[in-house]
Amino acid sequence: SAVISQKPSRDICQRGTSLTIQCQVDSQVTMMFWYRQQPGQSLTLIATANQGSEATYESGFVIDKFPISRPNLTFSTLTVSNMSPEDSSIYLCSVVGEYTEAFFGQGTRLTVV
Amino acid sequence: SQQGEEDPQALSIQEGENATMNCSYKTSINNLQWYRQNSGRGLVHLILIRSNEREKHSGRLRVTLDTSKKSSSLLITASRAADTASYFCAVSGGSNYKLTFGKGTLLTVNP
Repeated sequence: SAVISQKPSRDICQRGTSLTIQCQVDSQVTMMFWYRQQPGQSLTLIATANQGSEATYESGFVIDKFPISRPNLTFSTLTVSNMSPEDSSIYLCSVVGEYTEAFFGQGTRLTVV
Repeated sequence: SQQGEEDPQALSIQEGENATMNCSYKTSINNLQWYRQNSGRGLVHLILIRSNEREKHSGRLRVTLDTSKKSSSLLITASRAADTASYFCAVSGGSNYKLTFGKGTLLTVNP
């Protein structure tokens, strides 16, 4: 199984600012995913981040709000831009293992005040 | 949407009892996965069952899949207080490995 490290684990941010979340994997993976979990809710896919190409965003998510970088096969970042209280959520990165199971980082708990 | 839907939304049992959670989905899938989440932390992968499988076991966990009914169940036997968590099913239907999650079941195991 892949070991995924996310930073920061939590943060409290002022509205209007931006936060960049880092995701580091202990092995090379082709596909990485970013999910959002709003308070008391389930997970929703934000985008798929593939190395060497633009991220693919799901309906309701746009690059200007959630820019993603994928500079190599072990690392990705998600930025939450121009934050509002509605962005308060847990953000999780995920990778697919060799048997197609998905593994998740510990998440970043973001509170926007 | 392929969304999984769990029921019940919440389940409270005594230690030692069995807990059963159900998941339904809407379209064809490649696999269905179950996850556990403790107190809003990261997700722990529990078990994956493929569309051509009907039942899988892992320790105290038993998962069934009925593709004709588009449903799955997760059984936790001899529950422990440490099993207290939210449990989510997630389905994957394409070659892109994207997961669509259900709303989850909050399981409370009372000592």
